[in-house]
Amino acid sequence: EIVLTQSPGTLSLSPGERATLSCRASQSVNRNYLAWYQQKPGQAPRLLIYGSSSRATGIPDRFSGSGSGTDFTLTITTLEPEDFAVYYCQQSDTSGWTFGQGTKVEIK
Amino acid sequence: EVQLVESGGGLVQSGGSLRLSCAAPRISINSFDMNWVRQAPGKGLEWISYMSSSGSAIYYADSVKGRFTISRDSATNSLYLHLDSLRAEDTAVYYCARMTVGDAFDIWGQGTMVTVSS
Repeated sequence: EIVLTQSPGTLSLSPGERATLSCRASQSVNRNYLAWYQQKPGQAPRLLIYGSSSRATGIPDRFSGSGSGTDFTLTITTLEPEDFAVYYCQQSDTSGWTFGQGTKVEIK
Repeated sequence: EVQLVESGGGLVQSGGSLRLSCAAPRISINSFDMNWVRQAPGKGLEWISYMSSSGSAIYYADSVKGRFTISRDSATNSLYLHLDSLRAEDTAVYYCARMTVGDAFDIWGQGTMVTVSS
């Protein structure tokens, strides 16, 4: 099973700042099968990025994904008040689907 | 617009059973690969089961294999998850989710809470 480790655990930033979230895999991940989600308290997760870098329908262009192999990044160029939430990366391979433990982006 | 609606959660004793339902008012369950994902209180997301659009491929996470069963009913356009031999560690919000390109989950229900008391 591929283990995804996200860092940092918590990111304290102010609106307008740039957020850079990391997702590191225990072994190489097919970049076509790496996704990112946003989750707010009491809500279901929301798909942001699929295929490492493709934005899902309706996702603003301040969200971008990049990476390959074992290192992937989600970048939020300019944080809006509604972007403070928990973010998860997720991958799939022949063993199944796994998620990272999450990065919380909080207001500084 | 709501596209997936889970129900069937509740409080159950350890060793008990439950059946969760996922109704799809606006999409055809048979046309997509579907999944169940759970989230324990204050914890992260855990994928637990998959069914292909054809119904021919079914997978489970090791943590639930042999205890949970995924199924669907075309007549009611619903996905199900039957939970047996429940344990305290199965306590979680259970979501059904549609799979899209790249094996990502693009549509989620609102979740249904399962609490297993020991």
